[in-house]
Amino acid sequence: KQEVTQIPAALSVPEGENLVLNCSFTDSAIYNLQWFRQDPGKGLTSLLLIQSSQREQTSGRLNASLDKSSGRSTLYIAASQPGDSATYLCAVRDYGQNFVFGPGTRLSVLP
Amino acid sequence: EAQVTQNPRYLITVTGKKLTVTCSQNMNHEYMSWYRQDPGLGLRQIYYSMNVEVTDKGDVPEGYKVSRKEKRNFPLILESPSPNQTSLYFCASSLWGTGSSYNSPLHFGNGTRLTVT
Repeated sequence: KQEVTQIPAALSVPEGENLVLNCSFTDSAIYNLQWFRQDPGKGLTSLLLIQSSQREQTSGRLNASLDKSSGRSTLYIAASQPGDSATYLCAVRDYGQNFVFGPGTRLSVLP
Repeated sequence: EAQVTQNPRYLITVTGKKLTVTCSQNMNHEYMSWYRQDPGLGLRQIYYSMNVEVTDKGDVPEGYKVSRKEKRNFPLILESPSPNQTSLYFCASSLWGTGSSYNSPLHFGNGTRLTVT
């Protein structure tokens, strides 16, 4: 059964720092990996989707990479801002086309 | 606007009183899913559906029912709610099938906060 983990569980950084969030999955049989952002008590917003054939995707200050063979993805946030404070979740879409989520990383960017 | 709509946003009820949380999407998506989110436990899947009349259990289906009679709607039914079902619930949808649908993103509703007393 596919399992997704995220490290660290929580992260606190000063404004302006570059940071990396990690996502690992146990089964490389995936179609894609998606990164989401969730503000407290709110819904999930899709940030980036990386197809299994791709190595990375970029959107503004966000860059996500995927190494399917090693079961890893990273989300790189450049020049972090207080508005980036949120929980970040990753999810893989398996070959049954279902989605499996990680537990999330809670990010705090301090002014 | 493409969206997943859940209703109600907030619901307070009493133990044993049947309730339904509605979910509707306007993107002609085949795949729909329900999740619950609890502090420290992350997002857990309750049920999902790959198309009309096709549903399957997720990780925590006990105490819940679903139906998929129409493509756009996927209601979540709690026939006898209990306090341990107090949670934040999310509905989500995506394309499902062959080809490009494999890489269709998952879209979420805004959530329903349920309190069972």
